[in-house]
Amino acid sequence: ELKVEQNPLFLSMQEGKNYTIYCNYSTTSDRLYWYRQDPGKSLESLFVLLSNGAVKQEGRLMASLDTKARLSTLHITAAVHDLSATYFCAVGTNAGKSTFGDGTTLTVKP
Amino acid sequence: GAGVSQSPRYKVAKRGQDVALRCDPISGHVSLFWYQQALGQGPEFLTYFQNEAQLDKSGLPSDRFFAERPEGSVSTLKIQRTQQEDSAVYLCASSLLAVSGANVLTFGAGSRLTVL
Repeated sequence: ELKVEQNPLFLSMQEGKNYTIYCNYSTTSDRLYWYRQDPGKSLESLFVLLSNGAVKQEGRLMASLDTKARLSTLHITAAVHDLSATYFCAVGTNAGKSTFGDGTTLTVKP
Repeated sequence: GAGVSQSPRYKVAKRGQDVALRCDPISGHVSLFWYQQALGQGPEFLTYFQNEAQLDKSGLPSDRFFAERPEGSVSTLKIQRTQQEDSAVYLCASSLLAVSGANVLTFGAGSRLTVL
């Protein structure tokens, strides 16, 4: 059974600081997704990573994938308040379904 | 439509009642997924449709849960004889293509079910 573990589950950051969220998964997969969810809102797709060594960046967020280590990271650079949200990684398969981690709730404080 | 629309947004049911949750995917999207999200947890897969065909229902927790997409567009998730453990947010997501490649999902805002 595929397991996806994120850490930390809760993260409180000062504005302007850098931090990394980790996503470990237990079995081989060919796609890794990162989503953002604001309270009471839908999940918004951030990144799709399809191959070993893939790196994608959007604004202050950068995601990477190491399929050999079964590890993806979401790096936050110079955090701002607007980045406060819950971030989920999800591991997908050709069969369609994705298995999600439990999410990392990020709070960025002034 | 512009996005994935779900209704109702909130539903309170008495234990034992049947409920039906509706999902209107983005027009033309082939793939449609239902997920269940309990408070403080990540979404858990329930079922997947490609057009009108239900290709995977392995995540449905019991035979009280039933989903359909008869014309390959709107989908309904039905829960019979609701139990308190069914309380959760039910998320619908759709994607343009059949499952392959990046398969980016667009999620709806969810239907929050509370069973008393």
